[in-house]
Amino acid sequence: NAGVMQNPRHLVRRRGQEARLRCSPMKGHSHVYWYRQLPEEGLKFMVYLQKENIIDESGMPKERFSAEFPKEGPSILRIQQVVRGDSAAYFCASSPQSGDYGYTFGSGTRLTVV
Amino acid sequence: GENVEQHPSTLSVQEGDSAVIKCTYSDSASNYFPWYKQELGKGPQLIIDIRSNVGEKKDQRIAVTLNKTAKHFSLHITETQPEDSAVYFCAASKVNDYKLSFGAGTTVTVRA
Repeated sequence: NAGVMQNPRHLVRRRGQEARLRCSPMKGHSHVYWYRQLPEEGLKFMVYLQKENIIDESGMPKERFSAEFPKEGPSILRIQQVVRGDSAAYFCASSPQSGDYGYTFGSGTRLTVV
Repeated sequence: GENVEQHPSTLSVQEGDSAVIKCTYSDSASNYFPWYKQELGKGPQLIIDIRSNVGEKKDQRIAVTLNKTAKHFSLHITETQPEDSAVYFCAASKVNDYKLSFGAGTTVTVRA
């Protein structure tokens, strides 16, 4: 039973480029959460999605960031026109139902903006 | 929103000794407190959690205590081993809330 799969593991982008981070939840999990971890800090909530719906994006920056979880395929976190301050580790977690405390985190995507 | 503070930021212990990490939270409505272990290059892994209806929970060498009145909770690792070396995060959440608020983490190093 594969866990939460994130790819790529490492991503390097030049300033101004786009970054696309993918997350496939655990089998049977229909709820996906994205968190960002800045260097030497804890994880910060970004967005909560169910299939084809954004439930809560209160932690997402208003500009350049977007997320989706289509009916088919992985959840995508998209960062347009990346800046150096976007460099961080981005973690995806999934759960079988909302409010279920059984979060399972993926191994993360480490984004470096040069 | 919820604010979780975690201390210390780094902790070095001799193998076999105990390690204690403390967290405080600000929102009295929080009632779920998980602890995560993050090894280098990996995602956080849940190691133990506690809900507000209990004051203590133990699982082999790890235990968590909760003081709701003082709004603080602690992780205790006994008989530490080199494989316990990692970054540990505490977190807090409210009932029916899917958002976890994390502390800044404690880097634990177990010296052989």
